[in-house]
Amino acid sequence: DGGITQSPKYLFRKEGQNVTLSCEQNLNHDAMYWYRQDPGQGLRLIYYSQIVNDFQKGDIAEGYSVSREKKESFPLTVTSAQKNPTAFYLCATLSSGYEQYFGPGTRLTVT
Amino acid sequence: RKEVEQDPGPFNVPEGATVAFNCTYSNSASQSFFWYRQDCRKEPKLLMSVYSSGNEDGRFTAQLNRASQYISLLIRDSKLSDSATYLCVVKPQTGANNLFFGTGTRLTVIP
Repeated sequence: DGGITQSPKYLFRKEGQNVTLSCEQNLNHDAMYWYRQDPGQGLRLIYYSQIVNDFQKGDIAEGYSVSREKKESFPLTVTSAQKNPTAFYLCATLSSGYEQYFGPGTRLTVT
Repeated sequence: RKEVEQDPGPFNVPEGATVAFNCTYSNSASQSFFWYRQDCRKEPKLLMSVYSSGNEDGRFTAQLNRASQYISLLIRDSKLSDSATYLCVVKPQTGANNLFFGTGTRLTVIP
């Protein structure tokens, strides 16, 4: 089955803890993205990577970090510096036709 | 000015009705256009790409008006299962692999 997997589906953390969200794809797409979605709002770009070992900040990168050591994997770390980390996090890839494919998302709740 | 703007709705229509959504974009050099569908608490999924000549997929018709910088989505014979949020997505220009998402238009089809 080709696709994007994100784990876990739900994640609960205490304030002050760093947490890493997993994203794996087997679509063989070069570009990968992380978005954040808050209730009733649109998608906001956190980070993206067009190729292995390279990544760029999106519109709301503060308090987040990423790595891209393998084409298949693009994990996102939400650090304690992120002021409002509770949100729905979506990982995506981009096809050669510029179609964005999304994983099922991770709902992070920080209390 | 936002890159992509959509009427947030909500649109509440009876089953069988025809409903149309518009979306405007600010960058005249925009290259590719898409409509996505997002169900409640799920990831967005590609509904259809929008081609310059307009395109149809069953009950769904997408159109592009480059002169006025808007795209539209027409849904005929609405079904209860069409209830979702519809996102307008624009790829701004060649060489930049970021997509811009509208905040979405919420559609509810009523029995």
